[in-house]
Amino acid sequence: SQQGEEDPQALSIQEGENATMNCSYKTSINNLQWYRQNSGRGLVHLILIRSNEREKHSGRLRVTLDTSKKSSSLLITASRAADTASYFCATDPPNSGGSNYKLTFGKGTLLTVNP
Amino acid sequence: DADVTQTPRNRITKTGKRIMLECSQTKGHDRMYWYRQDPGLGLRLIYYSFDVKDINKGEISDGYSVSRQAQAKFSLSLESAIPNQTALYFCATSDASTPYNEQFFGPGTRLTVL
Repeated sequence: SQQGEEDPQALSIQEGENATMNCSYKTSINNLQWYRQNSGRGLVHLILIRSNEREKHSGRLRVTLDTSKKSSSLLITASRAADTASYFCATDPPNSGGSNYKLTFGKGTLLTVNP
Repeated sequence: DADVTQTPRNRITKTGKRIMLECSQTKGHDRMYWYRQDPGLGLRLIYYSFDVKDINKGEISDGYSVSRQAQAKFSLSLESAIPNQTALYFCATSDASTPYNEQFFGPGTRLTVL
């Protein structure tokens, strides 16, 4: 079953604008990760935020995490045509022993950045 | 060279055929995963392996089997392929020595079952 759910499902913006994608999840987490997937290719890890962090930056990416609301957002500033891709959030549950450490992915947000 | 490779990249087969998808990695990671991706459904975990002797079912393992031949190799088999197994398949790895489970993906295998 899907743990993370991204919103919106699709987003279309102009180059130079900011893009915000949201992720909601259901159970407690160790960390939350964002991945990018260019059409038909493998996912690439973008950024990870731990459960005790509220905000994290990496270049033009800004991620926030609100564990009380079980939600995260990914902001891409000054978007470029090359940012066109699908973006997925993935949740990593707390280690409760046994075979753990498997991520649960959401369904993704398709971002289109128009030149 | 890519750290996580998958072969074949594309495969068209017929219902009932046995298919093997292979994954190799040079990252030295213990953990390996197989996912399938269907339009609108995101990624779903088929099987995962935390070392050569530890293999676990994911959420959609029915109709699939796996083999961890070595730390670097993890194969996915479809014993008798059916059309609803048409999908994009990804292998991934992660490093057991870190607590964060960042995963590294292969380029994917596009499988079509006619």
